[in-house]
Amino acid sequence: DSGVTQTPKHLITATGQRVTLRCSPRSGDLSVYWYQQSLDQGLQFLIQYYNGEERAKGNILERFSAQQFPDLHSELNLSSLELGDSALYFCASSVPGTNEQFFGPGTRLTVL
Amino acid sequence: GENVEQHPSTLSVQEGDSAVIKCTYSDSASNYFPWYKQELGKRPQLIIDIRSNVGEKKDQRIAVTLNKTAKHFSLHITETQPEDSAVYFCAASIGAGGSYIPTFGRGTSLIVHP
Repeated sequence: DSGVTQTPKHLITATGQRVTLRCSPRSGDLSVYWYQQSLDQGLQFLIQYYNGEERAKGNILERFSAQQFPDLHSELNLSSLELGDSALYFCASSVPGTNEQFFGPGTRLTVL
Repeated sequence: GENVEQHPSTLSVQEGDSAVIKCTYSDSASNYFPWYKQELGKRPQLIIDIRSNVGEKKDQRIAVTLNKTAKHFSLHITETQPEDSAVYFCAASIGAGGSYIPTFGRGTSLIVHP
């Protein structure tokens, strides 16, 4: 157990819908990162937040957005879902001042 | 942007043999190179990392080497065991000012036969 929690574990929804994935970092970690893992694209970095502010952006679609709240938990919002958005979504957190990341268990999203 | 190539995609070895996985990257600004192990249905776990100011790093049976000039880095696992069977991902990342942008290789499925 890495100490990073993610909910829900599984999510099944339909095309065109919107979902919210939630992540709580390890105690003391200020950075949260979101990743998408699919068979087509592999493991891709989406976005990083540090202490409530967006710090770095990767291959995140405009239909996707994220935020980090004052208690440091983070949410990833996926809207206008398409079949191709079906994937495992991981969040990770890191110790301040390091790049060592601890991944959560992931949320498996299935879009039907 | 950064591009990371990882080879081989599948590696099958006998228990006790060594395994080597190689990655190349394109952006000379990349300065941090982690390796992750992901067992089936589980989360990626960091197993070793190396920074651009270091050429080699070892941790028990695992070592990583970095050649900045050639822009490639490798993972070496010695005395492989069946529990080493997993998918291994390399990443090249640019970290500066608290931001961190990793690009991952496509993964190597390592199978260790008892």
